Amino acid sequence: EVQLVESGGGLVQPGRSLRLSCAASGFTFDDYAMHWVRQDPRKGLEWVSSISWNSVSIAYADSVKGRFTISRDNAKNSLYLQMDSLRVEDTALYYCAKDMSYDSSGGSLDFWGQGTLVTVSP
Amino acid sequence: QSALTQPRSVSGSPGQSVTITCTGTSSDVGYYNYVSWYRQNPGKAPNLVIYDVTKRPSGVPDRFSGSKSGNTASLTISGLQAEDEADYYCCSYAGTYTLVFGGGTKVTVL
Repeated sequence: EVQLVESGGGLVQPGRSLRLSCAASGFTFDDYAMHWVRQDPRKGLEWVSSISWNSVSIAYADSVKGRFTISRDNAKNSLYLQMDSLRVEDTALYYCAKDMSYDSSGGSLDFWGQGTLVTVSP
Repeated sequence: QSALTQPRSVSGSPGQSVTITCTGTSSDVGYYNYVSWYRQNPGKAPNLVIYDVTKRPSGVPDRFSGSKSGNTASLTISGLQAEDEADYYCCSYAGTYTLVFGGGTKVTVL
């Protein structure tokens, strides 16, 4: 059974940093691209970042480019999101999601975690 | 990276069909055959119901179908059931490993 478990969320002040983790199990982690997607509780889904199976291809939404860094450790079956210079508008539930392909060139996300809540507030 | 445009809500009676549209641009929906649709129940994570415009993952009923014409993709739910009531989001590949989501559509079963 595929499982994705996010952790690392919490309450943080604007300008500070936070690192999210996603522990994957139930599939061959290093065969697939992975994504972070966030959702403001009152709004819809927003794609944040993607990383290919071998970490060669990485992409970010314009809203987080230069502040967030995605990475993965295939030996640990883990995905990460380093979030720096956090802003109030980064407040959201952050989901980790598995791509159906190895390089996220199609963007079909077939499994999602339950999310970890990040709240950025003074 | 502008969000795809979806209607805020659609509704239908049990047994009827409803169609949700998803309008993008010639740089995303119109260019790539990589549109996916997700269903999200309250308080739950999204679930994939359509990928690559028309394909259904295993376990998704054939009442769900997808299509695309120009810059607009569509999700049709036939034989609407009470359990289909949820929020639905479209998503398109937008090149260089980036994705863009729609704003979401609430489906109400009357």
